[in-house]
Amino acid sequence: DIQMTQSPSTLSASVGDRVTITCRASQSIYSWLAWYQQKPGKAPKLLIYRASSLESGVPSRFSGSGYGTEFTLTISSLQPDDFATYYCQQYNDYLIYSFGQGTKLEIK
Amino acid sequence: VQLVESGGGLVQPGGSLRLSCAASGFTFGTYWMSWVRQAPGKGLEWVANIKQDGSEKYYVDSVKGRFTISRDNAKNSLYLQMNSLRAEDTAVYYCARKGKGFDYWGQGTLVTVSS
Repeated sequence: DIQMTQSPSTLSASVGDRVTITCRASQSIYSWLAWYQQKPGKAPKLLIYRASSLESGVPSRFSGSGYGTEFTLTISSLQPDDFATYYCQQYNDYLIYSFGQGTKLEIK
Repeated sequence: VQLVESGGGLVQPGGSLRLSCAASGFTFGTYWMSWVRQAPGKGLEWVANIKQDGSEKYYVDSVKGRFTISRDNAKNSLYLQMNSLRAEDTAVYYCARKGKGFDYWGQGTLVTVSS
């Protein structure tokens, strides 16, 4: 099975900062990677699919990049609404999907 | 698009529970569907997938042989039959539509396995 590893586990930042979260796959997943945002008590929300495509309605300050085994989610200028937990997910192995362990983005 | 889960609750170890997910607002029978769970204070864990016509089903290793995913396209409904439940199955269970990623999720239903 493909393992997904996110870093860091926790990130402290301020409004207006540029932040980057990294996700590594244990084997190549080409571009079959998605990013989700989750707030406490809520279902996850799809932000990015196919590594770099922005889901409809998601602000353009969110962007994704990468291919193969290394991927990044970047928020260009943090807004108060962005403090949440972020997960990557591979769907290269379309039979079995797996998530990273999550990155909690906290207010500094 | 709306996904609404139901069927969660408190069950003893070794017991069974059947979760349902009612879908609306899209052509249910044209999408793969999944169950994803989240233990209290933990991350997301994909549980199971089912193909559009129900002919293919896949599970995370930890639930193989205990959980069964199914669907009824005529009723726009997804199900998860959970048998031989363990304490480690305690989680919020979400159903999700597989579009370009998991593009729509339900609100989740809590399953608690405890004596």
